[in-house]
Amino acid sequence: KNQVEQSPQSLIILEGKNCTLQCNYTVSPFSNLRWYKQDTGRGPVSLTIMTFSENTKSNGRYTATLDADTKQSSLHITASQLSDSASYICVVSAAGGSYIPTFGRGTSLIVHP
Amino acid sequence: GAGVSQSPSNKVTEKGKDVELRCDPISGHTALYWYRQSLGQGLEFLIYFQGNSAPDKSGLPSDRFSAERTGGSVSTLTIQRTQQEDSAVYLCASSLPQRSYEQYFGPGTRLTVT
Repeated sequence: KNQVEQSPQSLIILEGKNCTLQCNYTVSPFSNLRWYKQDTGRGPVSLTIMTFSENTKSNGRYTATLDADTKQSSLHITASQLSDSASYICVVSAAGGSYIPTFGRGTSLIVHP
Repeated sequence: GAGVSQSPSNKVTEKGKDVELRCDPISGHTALYWYRQSLGQGLEFLIYFQGNSAPDKSGLPSDRFSAERTGGSVSTLTIQRTQQEDSAVYLCASSLPQRSYEQYFGPGTRLTVT
């Protein structure tokens, strides 16, 4: 069964600090992995997308890494800001024409001033 | 251009009533998805529309749930005889064909069944 596990479930950090969120998956065959940011009361917004051949992708202060061998990904947030407070969702798609991805439960990040 | 829009943003209904949730996808996006997001849970796939093809309804949790898409654009998700366990955020997403990995989400409808 395809699964995506995220850790930690929740995280509280101080403004300006860095943090790293983890994602482990069992989706096979692998096609791509995305990280989404979901602000409270809003829909998820894509941050990065990585395919099998990519092991790092940056979007401003967000850097995602992918290790397709160990089936792990991380999202690193540098110099956190209050606006980074949100849920971060890891989403993995399988190859072979599947259009329904597998969603993680998300990591809830709170950035305190 | 405009993103995916959903209405209403919030809906409170009494148990046993029917509700309709609306989704207006991005223009030109022939693929449309409905998901349910319960507190502390990952997104749960409900139904998928692609062009004029028969929808994939495999994620609908019961026969109280149905959806239609008129004219290949606007979609309506209907929940009949609502139950308290139906309380959740219902998200709609759309994408270009063959680009299901690039889904754009609407803001969601928060449904509360009392």
